[in-house]
Amino acid sequence: DTGVSQNPRHKITKRGQNVTFRCDPISEHNRLYWYRQTLGQGPEFLTYFQNEAQLEKSRLLSDRFSAERPKGSFSTLEIQRTEQGDSAMYLCASSRNGLGDGELFFGEGSRLTVL
Amino acid sequence: QKEVEQNSGPLSVPEGAIASLNCTYSDRVSQSFFWYRQYSGKSPELIMSIYSNGDKEDGRFTAQLNKASQYVSLLIRDSQPSDSATYLCAVRPFKAAGNKLTFGGGTRVLVKP
Repeated sequence: DTGVSQNPRHKITKRGQNVTFRCDPISEHNRLYWYRQTLGQGPEFLTYFQNEAQLEKSRLLSDRFSAERPKGSFSTLEIQRTEQGDSAMYLCASSRNGLGDGELFFGEGSRLTVL
Repeated sequence: QKEVEQNSGPLSVPEGAIASLNCTYSDRVSQSFFWYRQYSGKSPELIMSIYSNGDKEDGRFTAQLNKASQYVSLLIRDSQPSDSATYLCAVRPFKAAGNKLTFGGGTRVLVKP
């Protein structure tokens, strides 16, 4: 069990550029989640995948954000035309299928700074 | 009203004392409740889960749930400097997709030697 892996860990970009983050969940986990966390706040839900199907998207996820999980394994989160307000830590989490105990296993996050 | 509310702190406690953290939630029919610990610059890690009214103890940690009052708490006994972190309360809404959780803003705890 290598845990949830995210990369890059840090990304600095200029406003207007596109960025993409990758998440590799724990191998036997069917469920994958993206959250966003800003300083001093708790994680905010962005989107959820069950296998390759994107089953829920937060209204926080504007049209500039898109997430995919093409083969039900790794996932990518792309932000187009970045804005300074997009600066945050982007957290990926995975969990087992079924009701389980609700434990989400988080990756170390990808920190985005938009200049 | 936020779905999950916590006092942001910081909650300062002397080493060896009990730290008491509180959380309230708005979705009356929520069934699952969690406490995550997050060290500065790190990702959240689960420390406790609780599903039914009453107390649940795990080592130095005790979670307390009162569904009628929509209230969850976490007690940390014999607090250690290594307990200094932000503690996130999380709730699984009744109609949550998958294991989606809604988090509070977190309470920062500082344990002073």
